[in-house]
Amino acid sequence: AQSVTQLGSHVSVSEGALVLLRCNYSSSVPPYLFWYVQYPNQGLQLLLKYTSAATLVKGINGFEAEFKKSETSFHLTKPSAHMSDAAEYFCAVSDGGGGSYIPTFGRGTSLIVHP
Amino acid sequence: SQTIHQWPATLVQPVGSPLSLECTVEGTSNPNLYWYRQAAGRGLQLLFYSVGIGQISSEVPQNLSASRPQDRQFILSSKKLLLSDSGFYLCAWSVGLAGYPEQFFGPGTRLTVL
Repeated sequence: AQSVTQLGSHVSVSEGALVLLRCNYSSSVPPYLFWYVQYPNQGLQLLLKYTSAATLVKGINGFEAEFKKSETSFHLTKPSAHMSDAAEYFCAVSDGGGGSYIPTFGRGTSLIVHP
Repeated sequence: SQTIHQWPATLVQPVGSPLSLECTVEGTSNPNLYWYRQAAGRGLQLLFYSVGIGQISSEVPQNLSASRPQDRQFILSSKKLLLSDSGFYLCAWSVGLAGYPEQFFGPGTRLTVL
């Protein structure tokens, strides 16, 4: 079985500050891990993914995430927040089990960026 | 490149009326297809998924149903809408092969049931 926990339903930062969105997962096998971003009234867009290659994964819009097996974490970071980063962020895990490889999503973290 | 379409973009329906939401994917073959719902302030709820034509798996018992009449077409339906059916409906697809679990989402349909 797989599960995802996103700590903090809301994270507030100032423009230019570090962004850190937390994600912890559980999986019985080596997982695939994803971060998605959702802007208001839009679908989800894939930010980045971990598929057992490099543990530090770089994505779009300056975001990156580090896979830490010992901590079962996949936190999302960005060195300097921009106003356009304000959105909902979802972490997801797939253990690859079963024919459909359906990922499990976290409940989401709303990123608020203050000027 | 692959694209995914959903329509309508917004819909306002009275309680008890029928529903039909359509999703189509272009640029790929044999995709896995998914319907999700987002209620206000909540995460994603998987409603249905399909690994092939006519093959539908339901994740949550409810008054909704899904069909896949063609390889790249996925339809969400209801005979009688409830107030609780309001929400943002998202269609997604993924490559139907092992090792490719990332999903690609459509723009969504905002459904309001009054």
